Amino acid sequence: NAGVTQTPKFRVLKTGQSMTLLCAQDMNHEYMYWYRQDPGMGLRLIHYSVGEGTTAKGEVPDGYNVSRLKKQNFLLGLESAAPSQTSVYFCASSYSQGLPYNEQFFGPGTRLTVL
Amino acid sequence: AQSVTQLDSHVSVSEGTPVLLRCNYSSSYSPSLFWYVQHPNKGLQLLLKYTSAATLVKGINGFEAEFKKSETSFHLTKPSAHMSDAAEYFCVVSVLSDNDMRFGAGTRLTVKP
Repeated sequence: NAGVTQTPKFRVLKTGQSMTLLCAQDMNHEYMYWYRQDPGMGLRLIHYSVGEGTTAKGEVPDGYNVSRLKKQNFLLGLESAAPSQTSVYFCASSYSQGLPYNEQFFGPGTRLTVL
Repeated sequence: AQSVTQLDSHVSVSEGTPVLLRCNYSSSYSPSLFWYVQHPNKGLQLLLKYTSAATLVKGINGFEAEFKKSETSFHLTKPSAHMSDAAEYFCVVSVLSDNDMRFGAGTRLTVKP
């Protein structure tokens, strides 16, 4: 099993450009999440999904959109990138939100720089 | 709302000596608490979690943590540090569900030979 994979690993954008980050998991998990990691701030939840076809806002959703058309994929979109979105983005998935199966499995991350 | 504070941004120990990474939490309800580890350029991996069962939780790689409600703490310890323990460690609190998880700012652990 590959676990959670993310594409691409690195990306440099110019202000105003758009892009989509892809997250895929092969563990048949219902729940998927997108986080951003910034120095000294830990991880913050951007959006999450509790199943195919559903999405919801997390702590810092502004400037991002997501889609979950297939159970195994969770896409994060930036329609008009800004320098404040320079960050490392992590995708995660979990079997459920209830104990004891709520461990989140993380992908390796995508490092995004917006110039 | 819940929150978590990791009291040290950087901890440096010598190989073979004990490790202590400190975490305090704030929560209005009974929390679930987690420690995750992140090695350089890698994703996060779960070390251990507290879910209101035993207050002393054992995790992988010899780490353990003790939940102390009176002190609102969940410190991570290991008796003897190994070079491979050098990484960033995150304390996480969750009250209702995973979409309500709050991460600490992280503690970078350096292990000197």
